Amino acid sequence: VQLVESGGGLVQPGGSLRLSCSASGFTLSTYHMHWVRQAPGKGLEYVSGITNDGGKTIYGDSVKGRFTISRDTSKNTLDLQMGCLRTEDTAVYYCVKEKAGNWQPFDFWGQGTLVTVSS
Amino acid sequence: ETVLTQSPGTLSLSPGERATLSCRASQSVSSTYLAWYQQRPGQAPRLLIYGTSSRATGIPDRFSGSGSGTDFTLTISSLEPEDFAVYYCQNYGTSPQTFGQGTKVEIK
Repeated sequence: VQLVESGGGLVQPGGSLRLSCSASGFTLSTYHMHWVRQAPGKGLEYVSGITNDGGKTIYGDSVKGRFTISRDTSKNTLDLQMGCLRTEDTAVYYCVKEKAGNWQPFDFWGQGTLVTVSS
Repeated sequence: ETVLTQSPGTLSLSPGERATLSCRASQSVSSTYLAWYQQRPGQAPRLLIYGTSSRATGIPDRFSGSGSGTDFTLTISSLEPEDFAVYYCQNYGTSPQTFGQGTKVEIK
């Protein structure tokens, strides 16, 4: 099992960025998938999640209305479209796989991609 | 939203000592949905314990979890050098999931 995030970088406040997570060793559409972020020197914050069938998405309050999670089953990738970025969105963003089933813990994490929002 | 509060913020111990980490919830959490993660410096978190007391794959038995209701505990029976890290509890029975703010276990 491998999760590799990409797309991070430096972006100005108010700008947009699209993160992608490439999954290998398993079929992404079999599991619920999530994004979790960690600001520099801080703890873990839930960002967004999508069910295995793509039928339901969920967002943390701090990103609701600005971020959109999606997946591409043909490419086996998970994406996070981030808009109206703020300095407080600066963080390492982790792509996370939920353990099989419903209401399960996160059993595999990617290494993360750093997003820096600054002018 | 159920808030998870971890204590202490930092635990200073020596290798071989026992570590006891606390996670307190602002309202009752089903023991089915309480997990613990370890994050070593520069690494992604990894799942240690789920369902309050079940060890994840490959986790050594010096790690154990217990608790119910609003009070949960992660115990490391005898600290190894690789156990000095930050530990987070998580309530995954709510949507969105919530994390505690973390406890750092540092070498004394």
